[in-house]
Amino acid sequence: GAGVSQTPSNKVTEKGKYVELRCDPISGHTALYWYRQSLGQGPEFLIYFQGTGAADDSGLPNDRFFAVRPEGSVSTLKIQRTERGDSAVYLCASSLGQYENSPLHFGNGTRLTVT
Amino acid sequence: AQRVTQPEKLLSVFKGAPVELKCNYSYSGSPELFWYVQYSRQRLQLLLRHISRESIKGFTADLNKGETSFHLKKPFAQEEDSAMYYCALRPEFGNEKLTFGTGTRLTIIP
Repeated sequence: GAGVSQTPSNKVTEKGKYVELRCDPISGHTALYWYRQSLGQGPEFLIYFQGTGAADDSGLPNDRFFAVRPEGSVSTLKIQRTERGDSAVYLCASSLGQYENSPLHFGNGTRLTVT
Repeated sequence: AQRVTQPEKLLSVFKGAPVELKCNYSYSGSPELFWYVQYSRQRLQLLLRHISRESIKGFTADLNKGETSFHLKKPFAQEEDSAMYYCALRPEFGNEKLTFGTGTRLTIIP
């Protein structure tokens, strides 16, 4: 079946604007993750959902960042008052879930550029 | 807090030569270690994990708890191995927060 889908693939926005990034996980995967990858760095954990609830949001850098997964499937990462330092590739991944010991399946990412 | 270190940002190896990509970690518990790979214009994907003890595409990695290392090895490099490789750590079973290293770009010279 289809893999993890992320839209848009590229997003250019002006400093101070609001953006939403969308992630469609693999069907049947109950766990969903958001990571951020800056140039020359590895993926950095932001938040993890098990079902509809955020099981661990310790990686969100500040309160401008928020993510939801209202029906336990699609997730949206929301960034308010964007700053140039938010420019990065935002990766979404999904897995069978906590305690399933399953690997993460990543999407292609959304490249966010804040000008 | 856990940390993963990949000391080499770039590694070039001739085709047919052995490959070793280094990964060291710091964590006081019993973590699970992974290698993820990203080929050109493809998404990040799992290459192997220490608990499965498999050889994938000729690559192997042994968890050395004494040296806190999880180096990735292949005896004979192939051109299609050129890619970005990331070592990652999961703290313990049930904790889904993966920590990644900064990655090593492997280039196989024909």
